[in-house]
Amino acid sequence: DQQVKQNSPSLSVQEGRISILNCDYTNSMFDYFLWYKKYPAEGPTFLISISSIKDKNEDGRFTVFLNKSAKHLSLHIVPSQPGDSAVYFCAANWGGNEKLTFGTGTRLTIIP
Amino acid sequence: ETGVTQSPTHLIKTRGQQVTLRCSSQSGHNTVSWYQQALGQGPQFIFQYYREEENGRGNFPPRFSGLQFPNYSSELNVNALELDDSALYLCASSLSGAGANVLTFGAGSRLTVL
Repeated sequence: DQQVKQNSPSLSVQEGRISILNCDYTNSMFDYFLWYKKYPAEGPTFLISISSIKDKNEDGRFTVFLNKSAKHLSLHIVPSQPGDSAVYFCAANWGGNEKLTFGTGTRLTIIP
Repeated sequence: ETGVTQSPTHLIKTRGQQVTLRCSSQSGHNTVSWYQQALGQGPQFIFQYYREEENGRGNFPPRFSGLQFPNYSSELNVNALELDDSALYLCASSLSGAGANVLTFGAGSRLTVL
């Protein structure tokens, strides 16, 4: 049972444009959501997170939006840069613990 | 400040064998979690260790076991290897209570079971 889903395995975006990565979840207990970025041969690195009490969190070029009623979150990257090319994982947890449930990832390719 | 280091980076085993993977935590972290990432999948939580004891376990059989040492480093042991155990094994360290956003991952150990 996939509790966190990323339905787009890949996405290509022109440099300078907006990249939008989507994530859906099914477990209503989740109260904290994170995005990780992974380059080849490296471990996932934390990018941005959002608590369920918020609907938006922004950090520089990265913004995460949470729609609890739809159980959907999205990551916006604007403007997209070549260094943003990586695999992006959506993850969720609850109760403040560090046991994360990950989605299957979306490979983002930024076209120069 | 050193990050999370894992060894070995790659290894090949045959079905039925046993394997031990090692992880050194980031300085200042006291909790270690292990994740399995199969090809084309996201990382799946195996278990977490805190104060040298297992502190939560995912949906993995008992042949997956672990240890945490007083210096907070950790080992993941897998007995009776199966073909489906082929995956990237990720170790992540954190500071208990500091929140999931400080979870720091290593680059992983890629296990191939033939």
